[in-house]
Amino acid sequence: QKEVEQNSGPLSVPEGAIASLNCTYSDRGSQSFFWYRQYSGKSPELIMFIYSNGDKEDGRFTAQLNKASQYVSLLIRDSQPSDSATYLCAVMNYGGATNKLIFGTGTLLAVQP
Amino acid sequence: EAQVTQNPRYLITVTGKKLTVTCSQNMNHEYMSWYRQDPGLGLRQIYYSMNVEVTDKGDVPEGYKVSRKEKRNFPLILESPSPNQTSLYFCASSLTARGVSDTQYFGPGTRLTVL
Repeated sequence: QKEVEQNSGPLSVPEGAIASLNCTYSDRGSQSFFWYRQYSGKSPELIMFIYSNGDKEDGRFTAQLNKASQYVSLLIRDSQPSDSATYLCAVMNYGGATNKLIFGTGTLLAVQP
Repeated sequence: EAQVTQNPRYLITVTGKKLTVTCSQNMNHEYMSWYRQDPGLGLRQIYYSMNVEVTDKGDVPEGYKVSRKEKRNFPLILESPSPNQTSLYFCASSLTARGVSDTQYFGPGTRLTVL
């Protein structure tokens, strides 16, 4: 079982719709969860992070965390063609003197005009 | 501007020819890390450094070396590159590696091809 799992997609949504991206993780001790966006050939850029159960909103983006179910999601409201990218879920695992960021393989989102 | 820089951005080389990819950050971050990204495998950590002169292996360290002699620089060294090291490489840094909100910031990437 992979430590961080995402559906590879592509997830296709029409412009203006809500895109829902999902991620599950295996380590129950994980405490911080990050969503990065990566355009093809470019570097990952942070969208937002969450470490408390529930929802966290930032503009059109909402991260949702359910630690009991080991599940984190990202909702993108009013999706735009410029949102078309790969979305990486990353989980911070704690251990020893340093923490480690474990990445999923990403979900490709395609927003259709 | 706060940033992580990498050089070169693109490199084509031949098997066995030593190369170095430089990484520099201007944010006074303690923690720096190298990742490689391959299709279907995602981002995998090669090496990381918690501070000057403190480095440790990540998940895929074979064939790579690193050093951290200054806080801002963290070069990746391939002493004898092989074709299976053809990949997209990212350097990243964060303030520390101990906080719940420690965010890693990525450099622009280096696309390496080993023939």
